[in-house]
Amino acid sequence: DVKVTQSSRYLVKRTGEKVFLECVQDMDHENMFWYRQDPGLGLRLIYFSYDVKMKEKGDIPEGYSVSREKKERFSLILESASTNQTSMYLCASKFANTDTQYFGPGTRLTVL
Amino acid sequence: KQEVTQIPAALSVPEGENLVLNCSFTDSAIYNLQWFRQDPGKGLTSLLLIQSSQREQTSGRLNASLDKSSGRSTLYIAASQPGDSATYLCAVTPFSGGYQKVTFGTGTKLQVIP
Repeated sequence: DVKVTQSSRYLVKRTGEKVFLECVQDMDHENMFWYRQDPGLGLRLIYFSYDVKMKEKGDIPEGYSVSREKKERFSLILESASTNQTSMYLCASKFANTDTQYFGPGTRLTVL
Repeated sequence: KQEVTQIPAALSVPEGENLVLNCSFTDSAIYNLQWFRQDPGKGLTSLLLIQSSQREQTSGRLNASLDKSSGRSTLYIAASQPGDSATYLCAVTPFSGGYQKVTFGTGTKLQVIP
């Protein structure tokens, strides 16, 4: 079975803190994605990565950055957390030549 | 810009009932459409994927149909069970195949009452 894991299920941070969210997949997938999910807005793509060291902005990249130094790991970084970044963050991955994304369990981030 | 709508936002049915969940999209130039299930506080699990050339896909008690011309997809659940309680989301990939452009609906929260 494909496994996508995220470093934390729940996280509470203070405004202005630097926050790291980690995602690891064990299926050698080329593509990885970071989404945030908010009530009434659905899932919105923050960043995605085609492969190692490659990244592209999604629909809402402002206030976020990413890092993909190894194929299995895709990190989302909040440089200076703000309260409007309180959300559920979902990571996903897939093979480049297939359609189905596999999602991690999510990290619920609260910024106080 | 593609917009994906799922109505109703919530649905409650008695166990054993057959039900239909709806998904509509504004741009018919799609590559595929997927239905996902999301349990409370968890990630998404893919249920069915329909390519643009297909009309329907089936998996067990689930049947998804696609009508591109009208911009609609339905997810039919037969003989619903309490374990089917979850939020169901549809997602549309544009014809260009750019996965960064996948648009998700906001979901229908289903409750199956024993």
